[in-house]
Amino acid sequence: DAGITQSPRHKVTETGTPVTLRCHQTENHRYMYWYRQDPGHGLRLIHYSYGVKDTDKGEVSDGYSVSRSKTEDFLLTLESATSSQTSVYFCAISESSRSPHYGYTFGSGTRLTVV
Amino acid sequence: AQSVTQLGSHVSVSEGALVLLRCNYSSSVPPYLFWYVQYPNQGLQLLLKYTTGATLVKGINGFEAEFKKSETSFHLTKPSAHMSDAAEYFCAVSPTNTGNQFYFGTGTSLTVIP
Repeated sequence: DAGITQSPRHKVTETGTPVTLRCHQTENHRYMYWYRQDPGHGLRLIHYSYGVKDTDKGEVSDGYSVSRSKTEDFLLTLESATSSQTSVYFCAISESSRSPHYGYTFGSGTRLTVV
Repeated sequence: AQSVTQLGSHVSVSEGALVLLRCNYSSSVPPYLFWYVQYPNQGLQLLLKYTTGATLVKGINGFEAEFKKSETSFHLTKPSAHMSDAAEYFCAVSPTNTGNQFYFGTGTSLTVIP
């Protein structure tokens, strides 16, 4: 495997609680991404990072925040979970250490259920 | 803006039949192109990609795709479907001249009928 792990793999949480998902890489690659996957929508970008402390919003960033305090970790936080955030969340890293254009390697996903 | 269209959210083929999954993109500059496969309860795995050079690219598990600039297409094919090919397939594009992200299609679910 390419050295990307997501935790937890499964989580059930209550509406209104904060939730943090973790993505950890051992590749020392610059670009990291958080996607959510929902039926009929494919993969939608939430946030991405192009370096330590450098992040930007994707198309569905409302209700989410991210942090990257070191190269290997990219955290996704649901500030106050809602049922609409029930989804499968994937982290990805760029396959190239320096460029985002040559492909991604994906983690195994986190299945989040908000009740 | 980039967009990726996968025609057919569900495709069914018989075992041994040709697999054809369609992908069209919109871009003013030819992008890099990718196909990913997702098996149940797993992450996405790269099948193949086109960046430069030969427009017919071969990937894993017998799949191939051809970049046709004039048609802005990157269709995925496999001559003979196996039961193990049943999965979700995603086409993606990466702009070569701007931006830091990919754009994914909405996916095509492939069913293989024995």
